[in-house]
Amino acid sequence: DTGVSQNPRHKITKRGQNVTFRCDPISEHNRLYWYRQTLGQGPEFLTYFQNEAQLEKSRLLSDRFSAERPKGSFSTLEIQRTEQGDSAMYLCASSLRLAGQETQYFGPGTRLLVL
Amino acid sequence: AQTVTQSQPEMSVQEAETVTLSCTYDTSESNYYLFWYKQPPSRQMILVIRQEAYKQQNATENRFSVNFQKAAKSFSLKISDSQLGDTAMYFCAFMKPQTSGSRLTFGEGTQLTVNP
Repeated sequence: DTGVSQNPRHKITKRGQNVTFRCDPISEHNRLYWYRQTLGQGPEFLTYFQNEAQLEKSRLLSDRFSAERPKGSFSTLEIQRTEQGDSAMYLCASSLRLAGQETQYFGPGTRLLVL
Repeated sequence: AQTVTQSQPEMSVQEAETVTLSCTYDTSESNYYLFWYKQPPSRQMILVIRQEAYKQQNATENRFSVNFQKAAKSFSLKISDSQLGDTAMYFCAFMKPQTSGSRLTFGEGTQLTVNP
């Protein structure tokens, strides 16, 4: 299967700790998105990469959050000094824009629980 | 900013019957895409169907079809011959295609339960 993969699938951490999530997009996709989904809600956009460049960040992405996509391949999302409000599902999606058309394909997500 | 509204938090349908999920959106854009995604209990978001706003013909994918009313800004999903595996949370999503990134804006979701 060459879909979007995310690791870890689950993460439990204590408040104040740092956590890092990884996303591996579909290999030919040059666009990568991070979303956050809280229980019972739709996903909300966090940030976007085109190749290795981070081109857009949501106001939801506080300065405790940082994302990278070295060499335009996999991406990491780090949360520093986690807070209980960071508990959520973090979803990664990738896409390839062709002839003005684009469809995002999602990974299974990383569920974060901050105690 | 675009908004997407799904007014039915929960719906249920008997196996083999037809169900329609509602979605309305608000935008001032003329060129955009609309999607329905399905999120089963395993939580992986799966694309169900997409619709380009410039196309008048409603999209269909096997048992799934949409009723796209651009003037009314309505985008409903019809599931025919419902199956137990259709039980999931369904999200309607809006995308404005851009060269610099095309974020999705999601509705709140509709939990669909297919009963045997």
